[in-house]
Amino acid sequence: QQQVKQSPQSLIVQKGGISIINCAYENTAFDYFPWYQQFPGKGPALLIAIRPDVSEKKEGRFTISFNKSAKQFSLHIMDSQPGDSATYFCAASKVDDYKLSFGAGTTVTVRA
Amino acid sequence: NAGVMQNPRHLVRRRGQEARLRCSPMKGHSHVYWYRQLPEEGLKFMVYLQKENIIDESGMPKERFSAEFPKEGPSILRIQQVVRGDSAAYFCASSLRGTGGRTNEKLFFGSGTQLSVL
Repeated sequence: QQQVKQSPQSLIVQKGGISIINCAYENTAFDYFPWYQQFPGKGPALLIAIRPDVSEKKEGRFTISFNKSAKQFSLHIMDSQPGDSATYFCAASKVDDYKLSFGAGTTVTVRA
Repeated sequence: NAGVMQNPRHLVRRRGQEARLRCSPMKGHSHVYWYRQLPEEGLKFMVYLQKENIIDESGMPKERFSAEFPKEGPSILRIQQVVRGDSAAYFCASSLRGTGGRTNEKLFFGSGTQLSVL
C-alpha cells in the first residue's frame, strides 16, 4: 500500500518552462518531506526537503509548496533545463522514524 | 571522497540460485539502510543495520532474505533461492547518524544493484 501518492507518472516540458509534481499523503504522523532526484544509473540524491511548520521552501530554481490541511505537497522546477531531466521522488517520514516512504516517481523530460 | 559503493551493478541469477549484494557505506558512516525499487514503484525500505547489529528488518520478506553488516567489510544483502519476483533494483544508503535522512541528516544512496532473475 502506497503511503505517498505521486503524480504525474511522467511529464515533458520545454526548456524554460515550469515542471510541477504533486504528492499526497494520508498519515498525519509524517513530519518530514524530502524530494529526491535520480539520474539514470544513479542512486537518488536529496534535492530539497521541508517540515510542515512552513508552507514553502525555495532553493534556487526548486520550490516545495506544502499544504498541511490538504495533506499535499508539490515540487516546482522553475526555468526547467535539459540537465533537470531525471526521475523525481517525493518521500515522507514520521517524527520518530528513520524510514522513508517514497512516492512512485515522476520522470521529467526537458526538451531543448 | 568515495560515496556509497555498491557491487555488482548488475547481477543475473537463475531461479533457485543465491544473490549476494554488497554495499560499502561512505567513509565514517556506520548506519546502513537497504531499499528495494520495483518497476514503476518508489523505493521501499527493507532493513536498517549498524555495525554488527540489525536494528530494523521490518521491510524484509520473512523468508529467503537476510542482511548483515560485519565489523569489518561491506554490508551484504543475501537472497536465497531467488524467484522472478525478486527482480528489482536494490539500493543501499548510509548516514552518519541513525536518523536515516531526517531533518538535517543527509542520506546518501549508492547507484544500486539491478538484479535480474531468469
